[in-house]
Amino acid sequence: NAGVTQTPKFQVLKTGQSMTLQCAQDMNHNSMYWYRQDPGMGLRLIYYSASEGTTDKGEVPNGYNVSRLNKREFSLRLESAAPSQTSVYFCASRQGTNEKLFFGSGTQLSVL
Amino acid sequence: EDQVTQSPEALRLQEGESSSLNCSYTVSGLRGLFWYRQDPGKGPEFLFTLYSAGEEKEKERLKATLTKKESFLHITAPKPEDSATYLCAVHTGTASKLTFGTGTRLQVTL
Repeated sequence: NAGVTQTPKFQVLKTGQSMTLQCAQDMNHNSMYWYRQDPGMGLRLIYYSASEGTTDKGEVPNGYNVSRLNKREFSLRLESAAPSQTSVYFCASRQGTNEKLFFGSGTQLSVL
Repeated sequence: EDQVTQSPEALRLQEGESSSLNCSYTVSGLRGLFWYRQDPGKGPEFLFTLYSAGEEKEKERLKATLTKKESFLHITAPKPEDSATYLCAVHTGTASKLTFGTGTRLQVTL
């Protein structure tokens, strides 16, 4: 049972480069989320998709875009990476709005 | 603005030495409080959800409790495998809003 799968696990970018983080869940969940985790800051919501076909900004959306490709997949794109985007990124999903979140294993991104 | 504060930041216990982790919150309209465990290099893993003051939940050596202002995660007779970072999060009014604390790093030694 795969749960939430994120790729890649590690990535190093140069300032200004672009990349897409991929996320897929096999639990038939309606809602999907992208968080970033930084030391001393806790997990912060970047974007979320409450259901297929909808996306909304979270707490820290600047510099990111998302696509809910279908019910299973939710990608996060950095168009022009900046050193401030160095972080660990987690994708998560859940069935209902007050249900528990299931997290992927994370992507460690470094922007030089 | 919703705020979640966890204490202590780090805790070192000997095996068998019971203790408690604290999660205090200031929110409007609590809909649920979640506890997660996070191992190094992995995503958070769900432990408990508490919905109302007075509620308690248990799982093995862990017991979570909730009051109107805070939640405690009690660890009874911990083992080295309980070493991890424990995160709490509160779900408030809007559908997406889950505010996380910064976590407590627990180390249990032999």
